[in-house]
Amino acid sequence: NAGVMQNPRHLVRRRGQEARLRCSPMKGHSHVYWYRQLPEEGLKFMVYLQKENIIDESGMPKERFSAEFPKEGPSILRIQQVVRGDSAAYFCASSSASGISYEQYFGPGTRLTVT
Amino acid sequence: QKEVEQNSGPLSVPEGAIASLNCTYSDRGSQSFFWYRQYSGKSPELIMSIYSNGDKEDGRFTAQLNKASQYVSLLIRDSQPSDSATYLCAVGDTGGFKTIFGAGTRLFVKA
Repeated sequence: NAGVMQNPRHLVRRRGQEARLRCSPMKGHSHVYWYRQLPEEGLKFMVYLQKENIIDESGMPKERFSAEFPKEGPSILRIQQVVRGDSAAYFCASSSASGISYEQYFGPGTRLTVT
Repeated sequence: QKEVEQNSGPLSVPEGAIASLNCTYSDRGSQSFFWYRQYSGKSPELIMSIYSNGDKEDGRFTAQLNKASQYVSLLIRDSQPSDSATYLCAVGDTGGFKTIFGAGTRLFVKA
């Protein structure tokens, strides 16, 4: 009964490199959300996806960031040309579509460090 | 801009006391409300969901919802040092697809 899985758990990138973060939702869940959390700060919504569709990307920076959730495989959050300010914890959550309940369950997160 | 407001704390209570955490929200159409607990360096963990006005109890936790006042609270009875964490209030938006998180309240339970 696997929960939400994220990998890698820790990722170190040099400025200018690309970072790829992966998220596999809980079994039976078709909704994926990505959040960013800076140290000592709250969760910031980035993007909400269903299979093959981006539903809401209002929290995504306009440049360098992209997300996908293909028909097969995990959801990917991609950050191109990383900068020091991208250093943060990135959490993925998943939920099922069930009436009014969209309880989100979080993965362990990916800690990105940009050097 | 839909908002969820929480007192950042820290809230400090002695072991065995009742901890009371509060949250207000701006979207009158919200139908779903959640409390998450986040330990330092860990991911948020869902501890309570509430959808109807009134109280919902689960073990030592009680969630209270008042939609007319746009107010949600979480009571933790018999607080333990292991309850020391940041508690995040989260509110589903009118469409239900998206959840807005508050900034969280830090709780310290002193032994």
